[in-house]
Amino acid sequence: EAQVTQNPRYLITVTGKKLTVTCSQNMNHEYMSWYRQDPGLGLRQIYYSMNVEVTDKGDVPEGYKVSRKEKRNFPLILESPSPNQTSLYFCASRQGSTEAFFGQGTRLTVV
Amino acid sequence: GQSLEQPSEVTAVEGAIVQINCTYQTSGFYGLSWYQQHDGGAPTFLSYNALDGLEETGRFSSFLSRSDSYGYLLLQELQMKDSASYFCAGANQAGTALIFGKGTTLSVSS
Repeated sequence: EAQVTQNPRYLITVTGKKLTVTCSQNMNHEYMSWYRQDPGLGLRQIYYSMNVEVTDKGDVPEGYKVSRKEKRNFPLILESPSPNQTSLYFCASRQGSTEAFFGQGTRLTVV
Repeated sequence: GQSLEQPSEVTAVEGAIVQINCTYQTSGFYGLSWYQQHDGGAPTFLSYNALDGLEETGRFSSFLSRSDSYGYLLLQELQMKDSASYFCAGANQAGTALIFGKGTTLSVSS
């Protein structure tokens, strides 16, 4: 079954404690992206990757890091989380410009 | 910059037809796609228009006019389960970026 798997689904953490949200896809897609979703602001792209070792900033990259060491994995790293990073995060993968497949989301709360 | 504009809310009754418009401000978009998201869930793909014209998929249709930087999603024979948020999204020709509008919340009542 084609899928994008994110973990964890829910996370509560404290300010400044480094965390990683994992994302894995089994479709051999080239493109992977991270989005955050906040009420009234829609889906905003944080980072995206065109292939292994190729990443670029999206619209809201501040405070985030990513890596793409393998085609299937695209983890999102928050080195020093702050309360304004409390949000719902989605990982997505796609091949080309058409259909993007989304993970189930990670609801992060930073206190 | 790249941006897509769509209405924030639309309401309709079961059985009706509703159209959700999307206008975009960019010279780099290549195609327009639509996604549905039920409350708190993952967005799911509905349709994609690479060229001008109408694409039909069951009760849903999507239209694109590249010269007008405009598209719409048409939902027919509305059902309660169609209550959700709908997002238009544009990809650049290289396919490196997929940018979403802020979403339209559709409420279907009986």
